Amino acid sequence: GAGVSQSPSNKVTEKGKDVELRCDPISGHTALYWYRQSLGQGLEFLIYFQGNSAPDKSGLPSDRFSAERTGGSVSTLTIQRTQQEDSAVYLCASSSNAGGQETQYFGPGTRLLVL
Amino acid sequence: GENVEQHPSTLSVQEGDSAVIKCTYSDSASNYFPWYKQELGKGPQLIIDIRSNVGEKKDQRIAVTLNKTAKHFSLHITETQPEDSAVYFCAASGHGGGADGLTFGKGTHLIIQP
Repeated sequence: GAGVSQSPSNKVTEKGKDVELRCDPISGHTALYWYRQSLGQGLEFLIYFQGNSAPDKSGLPSDRFSAERTGGSVSTLTIQRTQQEDSAVYLCASSSNAGGQETQYFGPGTRLLVL
Repeated sequence: GENVEQHPSTLSVQEGDSAVIKCTYSDSASNYFPWYKQELGKGPQLIIDIRSNVGEKKDQRIAVTLNKTAKHFSLHITETQPEDSAVYFCAASGHGGGADGLTFGKGTHLIIQP
């Protein structure tokens, strides 16, 4: 079946502009996760959704970052007034539920470059 | 919160030899430990995982061991092949279910020398 998809695959933007990143989880998966991977680094957890609800937003790096999920499916991660330090690969994952031991399946990521 | 340390950062082995990557974690309540393989330009792909109720799990050439007392777990790849070259990440999941997401190590770049 179809895996997790993300769009765009690459995004180049100018400092100060807003960007919106999209994630389509595996059909039927109720849990969705966003991570950030900086060059040569591990993955940094940002936020997760169980259904449309994000119980804890404390992992978002700043108040310029926001995320939403509608219809229990597609999620968008929005970065306002982008800064050069926002340049990274943004990865989305989904799992059948947020039980902590459920396998997370990752998408290919969106490579964001802020000039 | 959870902290995961991974070693080594780079590992070069001859084709056919074994490779071992080690991770330690800090939160004794963590109970799920997946390993991911990431190839250049792609997202991480799960290769094996282990839950806290077992000490070892094997899948063909790949095995993972878990020592809960010492809070460390290891990935073992035997009979390495060129296609094993990639970056490998270990991770740990806390007791808070999805609330903590996965905490990842910084990765090991595995290079298989022909």
